Amino acid sequence: GENVEQHPSTLSVQEGDSAVIKCTYSDSASNYFPWYKQELGKRPQLIIDIRSNVGEKKDQRIAVTLNKTAKHFSLHITETQPEDSAVYFCAASRGARQLTFGSGTQLTVLP
Amino acid sequence: NAGVTQTPKFQVLKTGQSMTLQCAQDMNHEYMSWYRQDPGMGLRLIHYSVGAGITDQGEVPNGYNVSRSTTEDFPLRLLSAAPSQTSVYFCASSYGPEAFFGQGTRLTVV
Repeated sequence: GENVEQHPSTLSVQEGDSAVIKCTYSDSASNYFPWYKQELGKRPQLIIDIRSNVGEKKDQRIAVTLNKTAKHFSLHITETQPEDSAVYFCAASRGARQLTFGSGTQLTVLP
Repeated sequence: NAGVTQTPKFQVLKTGQSMTLQCAQDMNHEYMSWYRQDPGMGLRLIHYSVGAGITDQGEVPNGYNVSRSTTEDFPLRLLSAAPSQTSVYFCASSYGPEAFFGQGTRLTVV
């Protein structure tokens, strides 16, 4: 089955700096890669996703890049703000259904 | 439109007890799933369903049963609770690629 590894497990950045979280996956047939944000005590919520036919996708301050050859994808958050502090999960799947999640990254944005 | 609703939000069980975690969605989504979330391990898929009457096992199915008699409901049953099942449980539903999660059930087995 699919295996997703996520790094780093914790990340602290100064407000206004950029944050990068990286994930690798094992199943070359995976074609859907979402990122979820989970605030403390809340449910995970989708913030951005990318399909395997696209190399990069942006939505305001967040972007995701995908390297199919190397089987890794990354989340980039620019101009970080305190409200970006949360746990971020990457995931991978075939056909956007049975998601396999990474272990999560606790992002802390320092004032 | 309530989305995905889970009950209860908190539960304490004694070892060996059984219980059912409820999950209901009002978005007419065919696909529903249950995950458990443990510290440092992300979310792991327990069981999933692609429609009424159809269920299948995920990554960590042992000790759990599911059924899907209607499109709206997807209950998760713990047959004989064990301390290893202490976790936060999330139900999710989806039609397209985005999974919509319930608010979670924090279960403690003592």
